[in-house]
Amino acid sequence: DTEVTQTPKHLVMGMTNKKSLKCEQHMGHRAMYWYKQKAKKPPELMFVYSYEKLSINESVPSRFSPECPNSSLLNLHLHALQPEDSALYLCASSQLKVAGHTGELFFGEGSRLTVL
Amino acid sequence: AQSVTQLGSHVSVSEGALVLLRCNYSSSVPPYLFWYVQYPNQGLQLLLKYTTGATLVKGINGFEAEFKKSETSFHLTKPSAHMSDAAEYFCAVRVNFGNEKLTFGTGTRLTIIP
Repeated sequence: DTEVTQTPKHLVMGMTNKKSLKCEQHMGHRAMYWYKQKAKKPPELMFVYSYEKLSINESVPSRFSPECPNSSLLNLHLHALQPEDSALYLCASSQLKVAGHTGELFFGEGSRLTVL
Repeated sequence: AQSVTQLGSHVSVSEGALVLLRCNYSSSVPPYLFWYVQYPNQGLQLLLKYTTGATLVKGINGFEAEFKKSETSFHLTKPSAHMSDAAEYFCAVRVNFGNEKLTFGTGTRLTIIP
């Protein structure tokens, strides 16, 4: 199983709503990532979790709140978003320093978020 | 600091022609280099990677890339383009194997002309 599964695939929310994006992997990876991708742009790193601990926060606004309940799951809680937050949100996972692994990221299909 | 430059935001080739997508990197230490492909409304899929060893690496869908340290390049090639190759291609670099950031280039949109 080499998949990263993201739900929902599409989400429309108002600026006062609270919603969550979910990500799951069963590859035994101990690093998980959230990226934001605007149209015609490369993915931008938001957060990295290593061994279920937040290791990188790229100065993301607090209206985005990540959570890593266990080594297989990653959530992104959304609250009071702005229309400019509309984007494709990508989850990824990778192995950490283990012999024989080269650390490439495996991406999910993404969650397309529209903020009205 | 690490960075990646992709020359050409748009590349068009005829079906059956050679595909060449350019990537140059900047890194103070030996890098790990990756090419990813993204089809419309999908996530990123790994095409190929260079970490150590053989400098010519082969990937999926007939793509290959050559790591040239002297030129700090990692260009992606395919001998014969198919219509299904139309997509966005991203070159990426990371300098350590750990939880350090994967830095993406700005991407190249490949169009295949029938």
